[in-house]
Amino acid sequence: DTAVSQTPKYLVTQMGNDKSIKCEQNLGHDTMYWYKQDSKKFLKIMFSYNNKELIINETVPNRFSPKSPDKAHLNLHINSLELGDSAVYFCASSSDSAGQPQHFGDGTRLSIL
Amino acid sequence: EDQVTQSPEALRLQEGESSSLNCSYTVSGLRGLFWYRQDPGKGPEFLFTLYSAGEEKEKERLKATLTKKESFLHITAPKPEDSATYLCAVGSNYQLIWGAGTKLIIKP
Repeated sequence: DTAVSQTPKYLVTQMGNDKSIKCEQNLGHDTMYWYKQDSKKFLKIMFSYNNKELIINETVPNRFSPKSPDKAHLNLHINSLELGDSAVYFCASSSDSAGQPQHFGDGTRLSIL
Repeated sequence: EDQVTQSPEALRLQEGESSSLNCSYTVSGLRGLFWYRQDPGKGPEFLFTLYSAGEEKEKERLKATLTKKESFLHITAPKPEDSATYLCAVGSNYQLIWGAGTKLIIKP
């Protein structure tokens, strides 16, 4: 059983389109995260939710909107995609918002044409 | 400002050649130091958590140590399958602060 699963694994789309990435965790964790990993492999936090409430909202364009229907799911919707949005997006979860290890999905590689 | 710096950026070793990776940090209120391994096309895989200076953790050929300013990941007699990017992160308030990683290549 995959602990943190993301779909789709690959996403190729045109500039200006709207797309969503889904994430689910079956670890019973309270906190979920979205990260962006750029071409230099640096992980940058985008959002964090604890029990469906937003607790971290880093400086991210408002074209990015997270949604947490329940504490096992955290989806990411992106409007009006731009070339600079091309990256790998990772979902993660942990049992605490700090002090506990985060467990990651295998990422969604987003390519904007 | 909370910050994590990893060195070297890349390290090439022969199989069996032991070495260490460094993670230095400045953080107000450390809530754990975390080591991860990331393989190409995969998400980071959790290895260790260290919470206090002097603590050590081991797993197969890997051993992580922690001081008040830095952590080391020691790799003893590495094998080609240990090749990966190793990431370090420190817990601070509500998030992890990540280093840029060390890419480790073990040549047979």
